[in-house]
Amino acid sequence: AQKVTQAQTEISVVEKEDVTLDCVYETRDTTYYLFWYKQPPSGELVFLIRRNSFDEQNEISGRYSWNFQKSTSSFNFTITASQVVDSAVYFCALSAVYPGGTSYGKLTFGQGTILTVHP
Amino acid sequence: NAGVTQTPKFRVLKTGQSMTLLCAQDMNHEYMYWYRQDPGMGLRLIHYSVGEGTTAKGEVPDGYNVSRLKKQNFLLGLESAAPSQTSVYFCASRTLGASNTGELFFGEGSRLTVL
Repeated sequence: AQKVTQAQTEISVVEKEDVTLDCVYETRDTTYYLFWYKQPPSGELVFLIRRNSFDEQNEISGRYSWNFQKSTSSFNFTITASQVVDSAVYFCALSAVYPGGTSYGKLTFGQGTILTVHP
Repeated sequence: NAGVTQTPKFRVLKTGQSMTLLCAQDMNHEYMYWYRQDPGMGLRLIHYSVGEGTTAKGEVPDGYNVSRLKKQNFLLGLESAAPSQTSVYFCASRTLGASNTGELFFGEGSRLTVL
C-alpha cells in the first residue's frame, strides 16, 4: 500500500523567510513518481513538480527547490524568500509509474500543509 | 483546450436528495478518478475507471455510485445525500499512452454542501 505523510499541518512564516515542507512516503513499487501540488485559496490544484524514483537529482526552479532522498523516503520542498502569494495548501503525492495491481494509477496524497506567509 | 471540466461547480442539497456530478475530459485519457477533499485529510479516492464501461471502488466508495458510459465522461452519483458527504469533489484523468508521466490532470473542483 502507498502512504504519504506530511507531518506539518500548518506553518506560519513572515515574508522573506525560507520555509521547508516535509514529505515522507511509503510504497512497494520499485518505480514511482513523486509530486508536489499547490492549492491556493481559489481552490484549484496547481501542479508544481514531478520526480522519478530513479532520478535523485535535486531540482531548483526560481525560489522553489526540492530535495529527494530515496534512502530516507523523503521528498522535501523548500521555498526561499517566501512571499505572501505563496500562502496556500501544499500537497505531496505519490503514484506508480506503471498502473496496475492495487495502485491503479491513482495519486496517493498526503494530508497537506497549510502555509501562511505574513507580510 | 478544456482539459478536465466538472459540472456543477457548487451545489447545496438537503439530506436524502440525489444528484450527479459530471466530469468530462477531452484528452482521450484512459483512466479517470473521483476524489473528495476534506480538511486535514488530503484527497481521498472515491471511485476510478480504467476505461469505458468499467468502474471500481477506491478508498471511500460508500454512498456513491459511478458510471463511465463514454470514454470522455465519468459521472459521480449520490443517491441519498448525507451531511457527511459535504466536501469538495475533484475529478482527474490520466493517460497510459506514450505520454504517460504519471501526472493526473484535475478539474477545478465541485463544492457540495448537504444540509
